[in-house]
Amino acid sequence: GNSVTQMEGPVTLSEEAFLTINCTYTATGYPSLFWYVQYPGEGLQLLLKATKADDKGSNKGFEATYRKETTSFHLEKGSVQVSDSAVYFCALSDSRTGANNLFFGTGTRLTVIP
Amino acid sequence: NAGVTQTPKFRILKIGQSMTLQCTQDMNHNYMYWYRQDPGMGLKLIYYSVGAGITDKGEVPNGYNVSRSTTEDFPLRLELAAPSQTSVYFCASSQNRGASYEQYFGPGTRLTVT
Repeated sequence: GNSVTQMEGPVTLSEEAFLTINCTYTATGYPSLFWYVQYPGEGLQLLLKATKADDKGSNKGFEATYRKETTSFHLEKGSVQVSDSAVYFCALSDSRTGANNLFFGTGTRLTVIP
Repeated sequence: NAGVTQTPKFRILKIGQSMTLQCTQDMNHNYMYWYRQDPGMGLKLIYYSVGAGITDKGEVPNGYNVSRSTTEDFPLRLELAAPSQTSVYFCASSQNRGASYEQYFGPGTRLTVT
């Protein structure tokens, strides 16, 4: 079946620190991989995505590379800001499930302190 | 475009009561979804729809019903509310079939059943 495992939080970093949030997946087909971000009191927003092995998704200084050999899609940012404080969700979508259904990890809460 | 809108934002129900969570999107998306998010957990798919008149169950459909009479609207019905349905509910929509298409989320409805 399809599943996503994320590193447990919460994560607290100082401003300008390096961020890594680990994500591994299990899928029966050839999934697309996503990182969504949820700011306080809001719905989820797509942060970045990768649709095939070795693709790198990037947005707002965040990056993640689709690694088929390690079934991973770790999120990284070189220098975090206070405004990056949010909950981050790793997700996969397997086209064979139809309708673009997403399978989410449990989320990692990031707090960045000045 | 307003995107995906949900009403109400908050609701408190007594056990056994019923209610409908409303969801509307103005992006002419074929696919729509309902998720629930329990504290500290990722999102779980309740129901989804691939177009007007077509709905199907997700991972956690028990206790819920949906309908899709128009492209724009996808209401979620709770018939006999139970404490286990206390959660935050998110509606989402997606443009078309294909694993790489982004899902757009509404702001959520926070439901408490006591």
